Order: sequence, then structure tokens, then C-alpha cells
Amino acid sequence: NAGVTQTPKFQVLKTGQSMTLQCAQDMNHEYMSWYRQDPGMGLRLIHYSVGAGITDQGEVPNGYNVSRSTTEDFPLRLLSAAPSQTSVYFCASSYDGTTKYEQYFGPGTRLTVT
Amino acid sequence: QKEVEQDPGPLSVPEGAIVSLNCTYSNSAFQYFMWYRQYSRKGPELLMYTYSSGNKEDGRFTAQVDKSSKYISLFIRDSQPSDSATYLCAMSAVTNAGKSTFGDGTTLTVKP
Repeated sequence: NAGVTQTPKFQVLKTGQSMTLQCAQDMNHEYMSWYRQDPGMGLRLIHYSVGAGITDQGEVPNGYNVSRSTTEDFPLRLLSAAPSQTSVYFCASSYDGTTKYEQYFGPGTRLTVT
Repeated sequence: QKEVEQDPGPLSVPEGAIVSLNCTYSNSAFQYFMWYRQYSRKGPELLMYTYSSGNKEDGRFTAQVDKSSKYISLFIRDSQPSDSATYLCAMSAVTNAGKSTFGDGTTLTVKP
């Protein structure tokens, strides 16, 4: 199993540009989440999904969109990039069972907005 | 006020020391408590996971939860240089799988 994969690893955007961060998992996990991590800080939840076709907002959803058309994929879209969105973005997934609170994280995407 | 507060550190200890990492929280709905380890420029990886109050041991690691005090701890015995990383506590309510609330992390350095 590849686990949770994220692409790209690094990205530089200009203010106002849009892009999609990709996340995929091959563990057949129902739950998937997007977090951002700013320097010296923990992870803050952007959006999450409890299954294909179901998404909801987290703590910091503004400026981001998600959709979940398949169990495997959970892309995060930046609509109009702003410098405040410079951060490291992590995707996570977990299995809907007794271990559903144990999240598996991808390697992250480092995004810089100039 | 943040729902989860983590002792900020950083911590620097000699090899073999016992390390204590701590978090407090304010949300009484939290029932699941996790500790993640994050190496530099990597994603977090789950270390320990406990439900409600009590202790859980896994090798050199022990997680403690005191719900009456809203306080959780992670103890590392016989610390090794390979334990040098940032440790993040995380918590979830029963209805919130996939929605963990994280502390800001404590960076630990274990010196040989």
C-alpha cells in the first residue's frame, strides 16, 4: 500500500491564482481530512469528508473548496490564492471502525503564495 | 482561548532521560486522545491512542488521560536521539471522527 499520497510536494503561486492540491489513499478509508500547518503551530482543520459525496467545513474553510466523488480521492481547491494561505497542507485519512480516530497523514504540500 | 493547549517547549534532554509531554483541554466532549510524532518536514504519524481516562503503555511510551483535570500526558522512558521530533497532542469528540483538534506541538531534542 502507498498509504496517503499528496501532489505536488512544493508549489509557488502568485496572488489570485487558483490551483488544486491532490490527495489519494489506497486503504479504502471512509474518512478524509485536510489540515494546514503554519510555522510553530499545530494542525488546523480546513475541510473533511465522512464518505464519497459528503463533505463539511472545519475550523478554517474560507478560500478553499473540496469535493469527494470517490472513496480514494479528496482534492483541495484554492480559489484565489492569498499570501495568508502560505502554509504546509496535510491530507489525512482514517478507517470507519474502532480506529476511526487514528488518522494516517500524507507527506504534505508546501505552498508559498507571493 | 484555544480548546487544546500544549506545553510549548522546546525540550532538550540527555539520552536515557524520562520525558514528559503535556496538554490541557477545555472541551468536555473530547473522548479520544491521540499523540502524533512529526519529524522535520514530514507528515505526523500516530504514536498512541487512548479512549476516555486511564493509562496506555506501548514499549517506552506511556499515555495518560485525566478527564477530571482535562489533562493528558505522554511519557517517554529511556529517551533516544531518534525520539527527537515534534510531538502533537490531538483530541476528538465521539461524533467527530476525522475532525481532530490539535495542540501546537512540543519540539523534543534528545542529545547523545
